[in-house]
Amino acid sequence: QTVVTQEPSLTVSPGGTVTLTCASSTGAVTSGYYPNWFQQKPGQAPRALIYSTSNKHSWTPARFSGSLLGGKAALTLSGVQPEDEAEYYCLLYYGGAGVFGGGTKLTVL
Amino acid sequence: QVQLVESGGGVAQPGRSLRLSCAASGFTFSSYGIHWVRQAPGKGLEWVAVISYDGSNKYYADSVKGRFTISRDNSKNTLFLQMNSLRAEDTAVYYCAKDVHGDYGGLGDVWGQGTTVTVSS
Repeated sequence: QTVVTQEPSLTVSPGGTVTLTCASSTGAVTSGYYPNWFQQKPGQAPRALIYSTSNKHSWTPARFSGSLLGGKAALTLSGVQPEDEAEYYCLLYYGGAGVFGGGTKLTVL
Repeated sequence: QVQLVESGGGVAQPGRSLRLSCAASGFTFSSYGIHWVRQAPGKGLEWVAVISYDGSNKYYADSVKGRFTISRDNSKNTLFLQMNSLRAEDTAVYYCAKDVHGDYGGLGDVWGQGTTVTVSS
C-alpha cells in the first residue's frame, strides 16, 4: 500500500517562510507524480493551490510556490500571513490513482 | 457560474448500496476529468476515483476498488458514483471535483459542496 507522508504540524511566525514536504513510500517524488497541494480551513471545502508540481491556480497567492526538493514535493510559503493558518494536503498520482498525504497543520504564531 | 452540485447522500446499512450524483454547470463538462474525494469526520482527505473526459479511463483507490464505480453522462453534464457493499469506513462527506486536464493531474479547480454518506446499522 502506497503511503504519502507529510509533516503532522509546523509553526511559523507571521512574515516568515516555511516549507512543507510530501514524500512517497515508493521512493523519490518526481514531476511524473504531478504533485498537487491543497489548503483546508475548518468547516470549509478544500481549496486547490498548486498542480503539476509548481503550477498555480488563478487564485493562488504569489507567496505560495511548489517545487521538488530532495526527492520530495514541497510547498513553500514566503511572507506568511495569519490567514494562512490551515491544514495543507498534498496529493500524488500513481498511474492515475491519487493518494493524499495525511496533512500538515500549519500554525501561524 | 461554474458549479458542481452533489446529491444522493444519506444513511445506508452495511452491505447496501448508494448512488451519488454530481451535476455540473458553467463549463464544458465533456472536456475535463472529474474526481471523487471523501473526508471522514475529523479525518483527512481521501482520494476515491477519477474518470477521464470521455469516460474511457477510470482509476480507483485501493480501498474502494471492486465496490465503487465511477461513470459520467456527458449529455446530461452529470457524474456518478455507484457505491456497493458499503462499509462503516465509507462514512464521509463526498466531494466531486473538476480537474484542469482532460484526465487527471490537476484536481480541484472547482469543488462541489459535498454530500454526506453515513453507513450504519
